[in-house]
Amino acid sequence: DTEVTQTPKHLVMGMTNKKSLKCEQHMGHRAMYWYKQKAKKPPELMFVYSYEKLSINESVPSRFSPECPNSSLLNLHLHALQPEDSALYLCASSPENRILTDTQYFGPGTRLTVL
Amino acid sequence: AQKVTQAQTEISVVEKEDVTLDCVYETRDTTYYLFWYKQPPSGELVFLIRRNSFDEQNEISGRYSWNFQKSTSSFNFTITASQVVDSAVYFCALSVSSGSARQLTFGSGTQLTVLP
Repeated sequence: DTEVTQTPKHLVMGMTNKKSLKCEQHMGHRAMYWYKQKAKKPPELMFVYSYEKLSINESVPSRFSPECPNSSLLNLHLHALQPEDSALYLCASSPENRILTDTQYFGPGTRLTVL
Repeated sequence: AQKVTQAQTEISVVEKEDVTLDCVYETRDTTYYLFWYKQPPSGELVFLIRRNSFDEQNEISGRYSWNFQKSTSSFNFTITASQVVDSAVYFCALSVSSGSARQLTFGSGTQLTVLP
């Protein structure tokens, strides 16, 4: 089973709202990732968690706040977003974040629209 | 520097035609991994294949085949007898080190449209 689930599928929020995206996997993977993807572009890495610790933050603005409460769950808390943050947000997981074990499996994404 | 180039932005073929998607990469690492992912209109990236830098054997999986040539830094993907369901954006990616962590460098993607 290579399933990564993400909720919600769609989210519309105003610039003053606070919302959260959720990602879950039950494959026993110890690395999880958040990506942002704009239309007709490749995914851009935002954050990497390895063994529940943040290991990569690609200079993401503080209005995006990741959280990894346990090895199966990854959240992305959103606050005071801008319209240009509208995008598809993808979550992925891999067995580990080391060579040989870093094949990433992606979830279906959350389509976020910021009004 | 690590880089993946997919020069074909869009390809359109008629069903049952064969189509090859090109991928050229750059890396200074001697050990690296290359991937292909498929992204249908629904949005999810679907893992297709992983190939390591020491294994230049070509691979075939049903209608899909991959040609890895280290001499030309290419990892091309061929779909034989294409079907409408193959319509998607295909991304080639390179697994690279970033400090003590690893991350994927994606190419810009190739939009494949298979017409009935």
